[in-house]
Amino acid sequence: EPEVTQTPSHQVTQMGQEVILRCVPISNHLYFYWYRQILGQKVEFLVSFYNNEISEKSEIFDDQFSVERPDGSNFTLKIRSTKLEDSAMYFCASKAPGGATYEQYFGPGTRLTVT
Amino acid sequence: QKEVEQNSGPLSVPEGAIASLNCTYSDRGSQSFFWYRQYSGKSPELIMFIYSNGDKEDGRFTAQLNKASQYVSLLIRDSQPSDSATYLCAAQTDSWGKLQFGAGTQVVVTP
Repeated sequence: EPEVTQTPSHQVTQMGQEVILRCVPISNHLYFYWYRQILGQKVEFLVSFYNNEISEKSEIFDDQFSVERPDGSNFTLKIRSTKLEDSAMYFCASKAPGGATYEQYFGPGTRLTVT
Repeated sequence: QKEVEQNSGPLSVPEGAIASLNCTYSDRGSQSFFWYRQYSGKSPELIMFIYSNGDKEDGRFTAQLNKASQYVSLLIRDSQPSDSATYLCAAQTDSWGKLQFGAGTQVVVTP
């Protein structure tokens, strides 16, 4: 069964460093998302991406964040100058084309720890 | 502020009984609703979705949607210890697919 994959599973970085989180969405999906979940809190939407551009972003997704689809399979989230409060689980998700009724499938997540 | 609200629990359910989870949402423009199961430290796993008023059944799970009351529910029949997890309700609020999640209800199924 196709699945979303994410690497690395755990990333430890020092405050102020840049990190890149990688995702491989399900192959025929065209909508891609990043969410994050701070420990003990709800899952929060960061950004959606379609047709090689950002379709929507949340207030959290400021200039510190960027997304890219560098090739036909990978989808990346870059966090520049990381802060302690960026420590969270980051989930990538993808959705098939076809409108609002198609479900999103989540990857296993990357646990980011900023020290 | 658009919100999805859930009781945090824990909801304690005897094995074999029915677990009933509730969710309300504030954005009347929400189109579809999803129930995800999340085990501790893991990613959300889709259980089912619903977008029309009424009931939708899938195995031991039944989702119910009442758009007039802005209310979504999930019933888990014949609850098993493996059903012990946090159940997340999510509303899809636009055509790009953005999901707004509730905080989740923790379910504990006791043998």
